[in-house]
Amino acid sequence: GAGVSQSPSNKVTEKGKDVELRCDPISGHTALYWYRQSLGQGLEFLIYFQGNSAPDKSGLPSDRFSAERTGGSVSTLTIQRTQQEDSAVYLCASSSAGTSGETQYFGPGTRLLVL
Amino acid sequence: AQTVTQSQPEMSVQEAETVTLSCTYDTSESDYYLFWYKQPPSRQMILVIRQEAYKQQNATENRFSVNFQKAAKSFSLKISDSQLGDAAMYFCAYRSARNYGGSQGNLIFGKGTKLSVKP
Repeated sequence: GAGVSQSPSNKVTEKGKDVELRCDPISGHTALYWYRQSLGQGLEFLIYFQGNSAPDKSGLPSDRFSAERTGGSVSTLTIQRTQQEDSAVYLCASSSAGTSGETQYFGPGTRLLVL
Repeated sequence: AQTVTQSQPEMSVQEAETVTLSCTYDTSESDYYLFWYKQPPSRQMILVIRQEAYKQQNATENRFSVNFQKAAKSFSLKISDSQLGDAAMYFCAYRSARNYGGSQGNLIFGKGTKLSVKP
């Protein structure tokens, strides 16, 4: 079946603008994760959705970052008033039930460049 | 807090040869999972191999195998008969076995090792 998809593939924006990044997980997967991959910083966890539970937002770097997941499927990561340090690749992953041993399947990411 | 360290930013191997990528981690937990992911230029992270900490036997997937040393907190990846398609960034990752909601659900990654394969 189809894997995790993300859109757009690339996004260039001006400092101060808002951006929305979309993630479409594998059908039936209840767990969804957002990670950020910055040059020199590796991959860092941002937010985690599991079913209908309240999301774990402990990795969000500031209140400019927010995410929602509608209908337990598609997720949108929103960055308000973007800053140059927000430039990174944003990766989304999903797994079937969110249990610890499961494989997380990643999307191809969205490369964000803030000018 | 758990940390994952990959001490080799770059590695190179001749085609058909064997290469070992290093990974160490720090945790106070006794039950967890370890993963190696491959990220080619397409950016898609692909699972290479996983290891359950409670299993003593080292995981193997075709040409890929690990050397898991729990006491030393070491989890190296060996690639045998290297192929040109193995060239990529390789990330070692840790995940707690605790299975309730919270940040324990996420993967903790090392900074990666860039592997080049010479023809």
